[in-house]
Amino acid sequence: QSVLTQPPSVSAAPGQRVTISCSGSSSNIGDNYVSWYQQLPGTAPKLVIYNNNKRPSGIPDRFSGSKSGTSATLDITGLQTGDEADYYCGAWDSSLIAGVFGGGTKLTVL
Amino acid sequence: EVQLVESGGGSVKPGGSLRVSCAASGFTFNNAWMTWVRQAPGKGLEWLGRIKSDSHGGTTHYAAPVKGRFTISRDDSKNTLYLQMNSLTTEDTALYYCTIVEAAATLAHWGQGTLVTVSS
Repeated sequence: QSVLTQPPSVSAAPGQRVTISCSGSSSNIGDNYVSWYQQLPGTAPKLVIYNNNKRPSGIPDRFSGSKSGTSATLDITGLQTGDEADYYCGAWDSSLIAGVFGGGTKLTVL
Repeated sequence: EVQLVESGGGSVKPGGSLRVSCAASGFTFNNAWMTWVRQAPGKGLEWLGRIKSDSHGGTTHYAAPVKGRFTISRDDSKNTLYLQMNSLTTEDTALYYCTIVEAAATLAHWGQGTLVTVSS
């Protein structure tokens, strides 16, 4: 049981847009920044969004993030087959004094 | 270029111990806060613990499932991070990643992981 809640899977067609949600509580998302990680099959996770809505160098602007209250979302527009991956949200939890992740969302580009 | 290379994984019996390492390069290791994350086969990511830089006291924090069994340490003279794992159970079978923590608990860079298998 993950501290942050994500849908297990989402899917959309190439070129379309998809939104992945991440729900938490006042001690994690409500009180701290959210990051998002992309894990392509067989590879290590990679940071795609940090501080709720910032993109690291090299991440296309098709990826965007937002946060409202105790929830966050990752938006991916102009979907490509290469975006098929597992996506994880993460945050610091001020009550647990520990990092926490969502359970991950498998994105399928149909 | 930032590089994190984990090593030391392998097979161990339940109740045993193992130490995995993470060799760092391409950044100022002694200023970095570092974290270990693991991923059991077919499962999601699990945050294990964090160590601050020595200039911030070298403080460690651990996730509840591993507190008291796992110890994170660092050797800044060798640019190496360690994870000492004791009293291992089959539930600890996973790929273990080291990561660099940047501001706001962001895990900015990840190694490729080292596999630990706990089996009788």
